[in-house]
Amino acid sequence: EAQVTQNPRYLITVTGKKLTVTCSQNMNHEYMSWYRQDPGLGLRQIYYSMNVEVTDKGDVPEGYKVSRKEKRNFPLILESPSPNQTSLYFCASSKVVASGNYEQYFGPGTRLTVT
Amino acid sequence: DQQVKQNSPSLSVQEGRISILNCDYTNSMFDYFLWYKKYPAEGPTFLISISSIKDKNEDGRFTVFLNKSAKHLSLHIVPSQPGDSAVYFCAASAMDSSYKLIFGSGTRLLVRP
Repeated sequence: EAQVTQNPRYLITVTGKKLTVTCSQNMNHEYMSWYRQDPGLGLRQIYYSMNVEVTDKGDVPEGYKVSRKEKRNFPLILESPSPNQTSLYFCASSKVVASGNYEQYFGPGTRLTVT
Repeated sequence: DQQVKQNSPSLSVQEGRISILNCDYTNSMFDYFLWYKKYPAEGPTFLISISSIKDKNEDGRFTVFLNKSAKHLSLHIVPSQPGDSAVYFCAASAMDSSYKLIFGSGTRLLVRP
């Protein structure tokens, strides 16, 4: 089954304790990205990756890091989490459709609480 | 400054009637628009899209209309079903950065039996 998986699904942590949220896709997509969803703000892009070893900042990259060592994996790293990073996080991978545009497939989400 | 706006946080519709969800955008470079549907505890799933060269795209009960001059698009669901109850996100991308989607804040649709 084609899918994007994320782990963990739920995480409660304390300020400053480094954490990693994993993301994996089995569709051989080159493009992957991370979003956070906050009430009233929709989904905002944190980082994206066009291919292995190619990553770039999205709209809200502060406090986050990513890596893309393999095509299928795109982990999100919070080196020193803070309470304002409490949010719902989604990983996505994209396929290019006939028009040349991208359609994104999302993982199930990771709800992170930083106290 | 939100480039994609969904001004109605929620909408309630009777089963069998039409649901109309609206979305406005400000960036004239946007040329591809998508609607995503999200159930609780799940990620958004792609529903329907439209390119700026069209003004309508239909897929079963779902139709998206695009009015470029007004920078407005809408999603029509006819007939609405209780299983359509979800949060709907409008998203847009521009030709020079088609990989980057800008999302609206979402509209929660409730279809009453």
